[in-house]
Amino acid sequence: QLQLQESGPGLVKPSETLSLTCTVSGGSITSSTYYWGWIRQPPGKGLEWIGSMYYSGSAYYNPSLKSRVTISVDTSKNQFSLKLRSVTAADTALYYCARMGHSYAYYFDYWGQGTLVTVSS
Amino acid sequence: SYELTQPPSVSVSPGQTATITCSGDKVGDKYLWWYQQKPGQSPVLVIYEDTKRPSGIPERFSGSNSGNTATLTISGTQAMDEADYYCQAWDSSTAVFGTGTKVTVL
Repeated sequence: QLQLQESGPGLVKPSETLSLTCTVSGGSITSSTYYWGWIRQPPGKGLEWIGSMYYSGSAYYNPSLKSRVTISVDTSKNQFSLKLRSVTAADTALYYCARMGHSYAYYFDYWGQGTLVTVSS
Repeated sequence: SYELTQPPSVSVSPGQTATITCSGDKVGDKYLWWYQQKPGQSPVLVIYEDTKRPSGIPERFSGSNSGNTATLTISGTQAMDEADYYCQAWDSSTAVFGTGTKVTVL
């Protein structure tokens, strides 16, 4: 059974960079057709897709966040990571990592449990 | 950018039918996925490709998609179905989530 687990600091200061890692177990991050992505959910609000990357480096990003986001994949560790620069309080959210599959279009079939990141001084 | 709009809340009595809509410009031309999120849990896929149920999802969950509205229907709603529901589509190389609907089973 595929499992994803987020890790990283739970508190980030304003203007700094948020960094999270997702460790994939029970399957390979180099599996064909799957992208690996990040989705966030501010407290009490809805889901917002951040971006997704294929193990070879091909990526899709949310246009509203693209200028501040970098997603990378480490195949040797079966992990992928998120960096979000210049954070503000508006970036406070529960951050999920997820596998993005494809059939006619892209969707999310496996999710991590989420990790709460608070932006505060 | 593409938008998917859902009603904020839907209330239903146990055993009755809950209908959750997802509205977007020509959404019927796209494939839609639906996720269920219970409090404190990660989202779970309940409908894929408009109408199909993943293994393990009860038959009471069904979906449709036509014109400018997609619908998730829960027939014979149970207390365990109380959750937030999100639709999701893919448009212009972007994943778009609906605004979310809280289903309350009264």
